[in-house]
Amino acid sequence: EAQVTQNPRYLITVTGKKLTVTCSQNMNHEYMSWYRQDPGLGLRQIYYSMNVEVTDKGDVPEGYKVSRKEKRNFPLILESPSPNQTSLYFCASSPIDRNTGELFFGEGSRLTVL
Amino acid sequence: GNSVTQMEGPVTLSEEAFLTINCTYTATGYPSLFWYVQYPGEGLQLLLKATKADDKGSNKGFEATYRKETTSFHLEKGSVQVSDSAVYFCALLPYGNNRLAFGKGNQVVVIP
Repeated sequence: EAQVTQNPRYLITVTGKKLTVTCSQNMNHEYMSWYRQDPGLGLRQIYYSMNVEVTDKGDVPEGYKVSRKEKRNFPLILESPSPNQTSLYFCASSPIDRNTGELFFGEGSRLTVL
Repeated sequence: GNSVTQMEGPVTLSEEAFLTINCTYTATGYPSLFWYVQYPGEGLQLLLKATKADDKGSNKGFEATYRKETTSFHLEKGSVQVSDSAVYFCALLPYGNNRLAFGKGNQVVVIP
């Protein structure tokens, strides 16, 4: 089954404790992206990647890192999480090396930072 | 800049009612326009799209027409079902750009 898989789906952590949210897609997609969803703000893009070893900042990259060492994986790293990073995070992918607007989304990872 | 504006607040309506969700946009050039739907506990799914003026996107009984003169892409469905209860997002992809801009979303609740 074609899908974008995120882990963990739910996580409660404390300020400053490094964490990684993994994202993997099995569709051989070139383009991958991370979004956060907050009430009243909709979805905002954090980082995106057009291909292996190619990443770029989105609208709200502060406090996050990403890497794209393999085509299928695009982990989101929070080196020192803070409460304002409490949010619902979505990974998404698209089949070619640019964003066509037709994205396949994972089911989301709800993160709470205390 | 490039942005999408959706009407404020949730939408509550009865089964078989007519649904309209307004979406207007600001963009330079000729963007592509999208509607995404998010069912409870799930990620977003592409519902429909339109890539040029006067295009009509349609899927699952939903329709939206790309109106350049009014910079709008309103979503409509003639007869909603309880299963249409979800959050609906309008989105814009500027021409030649990799940044998909989302509206804030509208919660739609359909009551039996």
